[in-house]
Amino acid sequence: ETGVTQSPTHLIKTRGQQVTLRCSSQSGHNTVSWYQQALGQGPQFIFQYYREEENGRGNFPPRFSGLQFPNYSSELNVNALELDDSALYLCASSDQLAGGPGSEQYFGPGTRLTVT
Amino acid sequence: LAKTTQPISMDSYEGQEVNITCSHNNIATNDYITWYQQFPSQGPRFIIQGYKTKVTNEVASLFIPADRKSSTLSLPRVSLSDTAVYYCLVGDMGYGNKLVFGAGTILRVKS
Repeated sequence: ETGVTQSPTHLIKTRGQQVTLRCSSQSGHNTVSWYQQALGQGPQFIFQYYREEENGRGNFPPRFSGLQFPNYSSELNVNALELDDSALYLCASSDQLAGGPGSEQYFGPGTRLTVT
Repeated sequence: LAKTTQPISMDSYEGQEVNITCSHNNIATNDYITWYQQFPSQGPRFIIQGYKTKVTNEVASLFIPADRKSSTLSLPRVSLSDTAVYYCLVGDMGYGNKLVFGAGTILRVKS
């Protein structure tokens, strides 16, 4: 059983550019969530995908968008990058949509994005 | 979702038991309490989850009093490798497993 993987590990972009981050969920998991973690802060929920449909979104502008594919892998796209977008982007997968007991989420190692 | 309050940081020594308390005065009936651990440059890792009383697994115990307005994560006999940030999360997670993280508690274990 493979865990959650993310690519790339690190990325440097210029303000105004666009970026795509990728996530492969853990085997058997149909739900993927994306989080942004700024330095020294806890992760902030961006959005979640369940069976290729967006299912919940945090307080992020529309220039943050995503996709989930039939194999449940996912992409996070960010357009018109701003300096404040510099952060660790985390992907988490789970095999349940509803919460409660057993709703453990498995996080990947993250992608470190630096916007200059 | 209920707001949580945790100490910003704690220091301990190897072999000691560490207790991290989280306050969640506005916890709702359907809310569960979950703790995650995060090492630098890694994603958070699930430690333990509970609803009431006491829950124990192979790495930690979670104590929840009857009023559920607080909870305590107990780490027995910590080692240097337990140095990490610990997050307390409260919510029914019914919004599709959305996790709301606070600032967490930085635990430093010294030799």
